[in-house]
Amino acid sequence: TQLLEQSPQFLSIQEGENLTVYCNSSSVFSSLQWYRQEPGEGPVLLVTVVTGGEVKKLKRLTFQFGDARKDSSLHITAAQTGDTGLYLCAGARSRGSNYKLTFGKGTLLTVNP
Amino acid sequence: NAGVMQNPRHLVRRRGQEARLRCSPMKGHSHVYWYRQLPEEGLKFMVYLQKENIIDESGMPKERFSAEFPKEGPSILRIQQVVRGDSAAYFCASSPLQPSTGADTQYFGPGTRLTVL
Repeated sequence: TQLLEQSPQFLSIQEGENLTVYCNSSSVFSSLQWYRQEPGEGPVLLVTVVTGGEVKKLKRLTFQFGDARKDSSLHITAAQTGDTGLYLCAGARSRGSNYKLTFGKGTLLTVNP
Repeated sequence: NAGVMQNPRHLVRRRGQEARLRCSPMKGHSHVYWYRQLPEEGLKFMVYLQKENIIDESGMPKERFSAEFPKEGPSILRIQQVVRGDSAAYFCASSPLQPSTGADTQYFGPGTRLTVL
């Protein structure tokens, strides 16, 4: 059973388009993090969200944490080819063990020129 | 400011051999985590260590796997008598804070890709 479900699994779009990817669970998380992973490299942290309903913006990327802290979304505006990569969400289940991140399988985004 | 370093980046072993994976955390970080990424799977937590202490090894297989983080030197993940199913990417992460409250930021290394022939 995958605790964090990411959708879509694959996404191929043209440069300039907008997109949203999702991270859903039936469990509550004390915090949720989004990473981007390039082939052959480790995940690079994009953002951490901790409060239900929280919205964070990072240039063209907008992250939202669901009110119930069970889901999150990542919206990219005017995608660029440099946005290509594997986007991973990872959650910490409880404050007592918030180091133990649970990862989704990721959304593989391809932005075509 | 150097990030998390892992070596080797690629490691090939034959069944039954030992694999030793090294991780040097970011400067000033004393908390190290190991994750494994199997093909077509998400990253799975294996173990959390502080200097000279294993804090949580609930994600480690009970046999053949061990981890240490000595007072001096890198953290080591050791896999004895490797089998083909051990083939995966192994990632190390480090953090500066005691992860007891709030969100903890983990910074990942580039990983070691282990192939067992």
